[in-house]
Formats: sequence, structure tokens, C-alpha cells
Amino acid sequence: SAVISQKPSRDICQRGTSLTIQCQVDSQVTMMFWYRQQPGQSLTLIATANQGSEATYESGFVIDKFPISRPNLTFSTLTVSNMSPEDSSIYLCSVGGGWGMNTEAFFGQGTRLTVV
Amino acid sequence: DAKTTQPNSMESNEEEPVHLPCNHSTISGTDYIHWYRQLPSQGPEYVIHGLTSNVNNRMASLAIAEDRKSSTLILHRATLRDAAVYYCTAPNQGGKLIFGQGTELSVKP
Repeated sequence: SAVISQKPSRDICQRGTSLTIQCQVDSQVTMMFWYRQQPGQSLTLIATANQGSEATYESGFVIDKFPISRPNLTFSTLTVSNMSPEDSSIYLCSVGGGWGMNTEAFFGQGTRLTVV
Repeated sequence: DAKTTQPNSMESNEEEPVHLPCNHSTISGTDYIHWYRQLPSQGPEYVIHGLTSNVNNRMASLAIAEDRKSSTLILHRATLRDAAVYYCTAPNQGGKLIFGQGTELSVKP
């Protein structure tokens, strides 16, 4: 199993500013994933954070808006840049069950972001 | 990545079984079927997964159709704590979970 800690758990930010969300895993993992969950909606994958290489972004998400760092196998950050009220969402990180997905994925509790 | 389709919502009475269906007709032959649930104000949590055979664990059972184009999550005795949004997903070999809209399960006492 894996235990994921996300910081901060919530924040209220001014528009135009940036927020960096941290994700710490208690074991080494190859891939980490970042999701966004808009109010009342399902989870949408933002990007895959790979250690030692640039993150891979899903359609509709760009590095300038959501830069990701992955300095080692247990840690990643997601920055939400130049925020607007439309960025108000819950942001979650996840670690997968490995190649082939024969084991479960684990999720952090999320960071609830409100942009005012 | 296989697209999944689930009913938007379902209702159940407490102590009764619940069958939550999922259609994943585009699944490939080697993709596992995973189910997660999300309780209010929490991150998703794993429920069960399987490939071809039916699977049981302490939380639920997973019945997979023979052609693998659909599956059913079975909660044998629903409790109020089972009220959540349930997601089925068929992650690709790279481990990406793509979530559909899920089924919001409400449980009546």
C-alpha cells in the first residue's frame, strides 16, 4: 500500500497569484498522477509526473499553467499559475498500481483551492 | 484508454444488496477493470479490481461479463457508510486512470 500526504489541504488565493501543492508518498513510485476535480464533477487527469523527465500533460492542460516537478521517487509538486476563479477545484495526486495495473491506485485527500 | 459508462445515480435500502453496472465495451484484452469510490470530501479509495474472473474481497464482489464489455460491482449489504460516488475505470498499461462520471449511490435507512 501507499500513504499519500498532500499539502496544503485547502487554501483561498487571490486571482493572479500562484499556488504550489505538494504530494509526498511513503514509498518510491515510478509514476505519479495529478487530477483536478471541479465542483460537482468527476476527476480529470491533468498530467503524469515522471521522475527524471518532463511531465506528460493531457489534452487541455499546459505546462505554463500547471508546471509540475518530480525531483525524486517519493515527491512531486503541482503549481497552479496565474489563478482565476475557474481554477477553484480540488486537486489530487495519485500513485498508480504499477505497469499493467494489477494492483490498486492510491489517492491523496486532495487540496481544496478557492480563488477569489 | 477504455471509455466507461455508468448510470448517474442509484438508490438502495440499507441492508439490501446493490448492483452497480458499468459498460466498458472498448476495453482491451489486457486491461484490468478497477472500481473506486469517493466519499464526500475525501479522495477516491480503491474498492476492487479484476481481469476476467469474478473477484471477491471484504468490501465487495466484482462480476465481469464473459466478453469483458461490462462489469457489475456488488455490495452485498449496503450500509449508510456506503453512500458515495462509485467509479469504474479500465486503466491502460501505463497506469493512467481515466474517470467517467460515476454512479452516485444513496442508501436509505
